[in-house]
Order: sequence, then C-alpha cells, then structure tokens
Amino acid sequence: EDQVTQSPEALRLQEGESSSLNCSYTVSGLRGLFWYRQDPGKGPEFLFTLYSAGEEKEKERLKATLTKKESFLHITAPKPEDSATYLCAGHSGNTGKLIFGQGTTLQVKP
Amino acid sequence: GAVVSQHPSRVICKSGTSVKIECRSLDFQATTMFWYRQFPKQSLMLMATSNEGSKATYEQGVEKDKFLINHASLTLSTLTVTSAHPEDSSFYICSARERVDYGYTFGSGTRLTVV
Repeated sequence: EDQVTQSPEALRLQEGESSSLNCSYTVSGLRGLFWYRQDPGKGPEFLFTLYSAGEEKEKERLKATLTKKESFLHITAPKPEDSATYLCAGHSGNTGKLIFGQGTTLQVKP
Repeated sequence: GAVVSQHPSRVICKSGTSVKIECRSLDFQATTMFWYRQFPKQSLMLMATSNEGSKATYEQGVEKDKFLINHASLTLSTLTVTSAHPEDSSFYICSARERVDYGYTFGSGTRLTVV
C-alpha cells in the first residue's frame, strides 16, 4: 500500500537554528516526490519536485533532497516567516494519485 | 506560473441545503482536476478525480451522490455538497496540473461550515 510518513509532527526552532524535516515514502512507481508549504486556512503552495535519488533542489533557505526511501527538507537559518506546515507527497505512477504525508508544522520563534 | 482559483473561500450553510464550490484554472487548460478534503491538523485526502467531459472518479468511501462533481470545461470544475450535514464541515481544496512535468497547483481552499 502506498504510504508517506513525515516526521516530526511538529518542530519548534529559534530563528537561525537550522534543521531538517523527514519524509519516508513507499509509493508504487514513484513519479515525483513533491514538497509543499501550507499556511493556516490556505491551499498548499508548491515548493519542489524531485524525480530521482540523489537529486537536490534549493530555494532561498530551503533545500530538498531525495533518496530511494526518503526525502529531506533542510531549512537553513530559518526566519519566523518560514513558520508553516510542510507537506510531502509522492506521485504514484501506478495509480496516478498524489499520496500526502501528515505534514510537519514548523514554528520559528524570533 | 499556473494559477488555480477557488471560490468561495468560506461558506456557512444550513443543514439540508446544498453548496457549490468552483475551481478554475486561470492560465492553463486542465483536462483533469482533483478534489481533496482536509480535516483540522490532518493531511489532504483525495476525494475524487474530475475529468473534463466525463464522469468523475471517486475514491473509496466517498459518496458520489453527496459530492457531485461536474467538469464542464477545460478550465472549470465544480463540487456540489448536497444535503449538507454538520459532519460535512471541512476544508475542501482543488488542484490541477498544467503539464506532466510540472508540480500540482492547488486552489486556496474553501472552508465549509454546516450549521
């Protein structure tokens, strides 16, 4: 069964304190591992798509990496405005569906 | 970039009435759109896949007679919650993909409250 698991559920950081969010996946015929940011009461905002193990993508303070079983979202020197829920999702090539993890809610304190 | 517009953003309705939510792709054509439901502090659960010009495909456990989906054009899909009850209160989100190699773009969501 396709499954995406994110950890931790919640993460509190001080401004400037770097950390990583984990996304473990078992998705049949993976055709892309997606990262999204979701603010309260809003729809998810696209961040990255990773397609193959070893791939890395960066955007400002965020860097996403992918292995055959996991993806990591590294946050370097976070700012309070990075506070949000970060969602990971795997696109199954077998079912055509996007399988979401539960999300990691990040709070960055000034 | 691709933009998906969703309306309304919030709606309160009385129990037993129906509510329609619209999802539009503003700058691209979407033959397929997706409808999700999200409960507080939970992740997105796919409800159905909306296909332009044909019937929607519903996920297991989703009542097709309660959640009516119409995808009448390449830029518009609608979700109608019929005979709404308080347990239908939730956050509904639609999404579409401009191209196969692009990410999925999501609408801003609709907060439905049934009283």
